Amino acid sequence: AQSVTQLDSQVPVFEEAPVELRCNYSSSVSVYLFWYVQYPNQGLQLLLKYLSGSTLVKGINGFEAEFNKSQTSFHLRKPSVHISDTAEYFCAVTQGGGNKLTFGTGTQLKVEL
Amino acid sequence: DAEITQSPRHKITETGRQVTLACHQTWNHNNMFWYRQDLGHGLRLIHYSYGVQDTNKGEVSDGYSVSRSNTEDLPLTLESAASSQTSVYFCASSEGSGRVYEQFFGPGTRLTVL
Repeated sequence: AQSVTQLDSQVPVFEEAPVELRCNYSSSVSVYLFWYVQYPNQGLQLLLKYLSGSTLVKGINGFEAEFNKSQTSFHLRKPSVHISDTAEYFCAVTQGGGNKLTFGTGTQLKVEL
Repeated sequence: DAEITQSPRHKITETGRQVTLACHQTWNHNNMFWYRQDLGHGLRLIHYSYGVQDTNKGEVSDGYSVSRSNTEDLPLTLESAASSQTSVYFCASSEGSGRVYEQFFGPGTRLTVL
């Protein structure tokens, strides 16, 4: 069975500072990885995805993530955050075959002035 | 533009009542999913469907049912609502078969069971 761990439930950061949100997964087979963002009182929106190819994936709003197979990680990064990045971020994994997603518990990013 | 909608957006009900949450997508996607979101648990899969007349149980399916009579809709029914089912419910859809596709999410339904 696959699982996703997001160790940081909350990450406070000042505006214009860099940020990294951590995601580790466990699976015995090949996986496909996603980061979703949820703004207050809204549904989830795809930030980026890793399906194959380059391990460095760029997404919307200046976010990027790196797939590291040896460390089973898919950490999300942004070099300079903005107040509008305040949201909850979810890492998710699927093994394909119908696209069922397993989500992590989420990381609340709070950007402060 | 294609979209996925959920109704109602907010619902308060009493223990023991039957409740149905609607999900409608205009993407013409084969795959549809229902999740519940609870603090500390992230999103957990309740039921999913890969096409008309197909339904499958997810991780937390007890007390819930779904039916798929057409491509666009996957209503979620709570047969006898319990306080433990107070949650935010999200519907999602994706293209089907073969490849891996992203899921598109609806805006959610906040359900309170008193």
